[in-house]
Amino acid sequence: DAKTTQPPSMDCAEGRAANLPCNHSTISGNEYVYWYRQIHSQGPQYIIHGLKNNETNEMASLIITEDRKSSTLILPHATLRDTAVYYCIVRVVSSTLGRLYFGRGTQLTVWP
Amino acid sequence: DGGITQSPKYLFRKEGQNVTLSCEQNLNHDAMYWYRQDPGQGLRLIYYSQIVNDFQKGDIAEGYSVSREKKESFPLTVTSAQKNPTAFYLCASSKQTRDNEQFFGPGTRLTVL
Repeated sequence: DAKTTQPPSMDCAEGRAANLPCNHSTISGNEYVYWYRQIHSQGPQYIIHGLKNNETNEMASLIITEDRKSSTLILPHATLRDTAVYYCIVRVVSSTLGRLYFGRGTQLTVWP
Repeated sequence: DGGITQSPKYLFRKEGQNVTLSCEQNLNHDAMYWYRQDPGQGLRLIYYSQIVNDFQKGDIAEGYSVSREKKESFPLTVTSAQKNPTAFYLCASSKQTRDNEQFFGPGTRLTVL
């Protein structure tokens, strides 16, 4: 079962920051938070992951609350190409097996 | 370029026929996965393999079969026992590390008529 809760849809103006929330209130101490996105009819693409510290890469920033029960993915300057379904996933870090449980995600629509 | 390829992009079959979906990767990854996606839904795990000649059932393995004879290849057969095979099928691979990242192929859309 997916252990995360995300809003079904959000929208954002092009050039503005997109902040996508995720609730994972039952997360365990050995679970990472992962974010993937899927552009329509394509395979999902990895974005970022973190355990408890905030993370940033060339695509996005991940902010995890101190109690680790929720997180926010931030796309600092959204473009039309960022329109996609965004999946927030928790995964046990002690296992080398990369099983991912995908929920329905958040459909982000970036408008001009 | 390194990556995962799936072929074909679109596949049509008659009901009752078995069909095999191809998945090849040149990333030197040990682990490979097959997912199924239905419209408006997330991905569900069908089978996975952590090493050559070994594979395990995922959450919805009934009506599917796989093989892993080579590290680079992980074909999926959709058998006639699968009650509702029309779906989007995605293959992925990853390194065998604790914080592994899965790389996905472009997917095959199977339609059973």
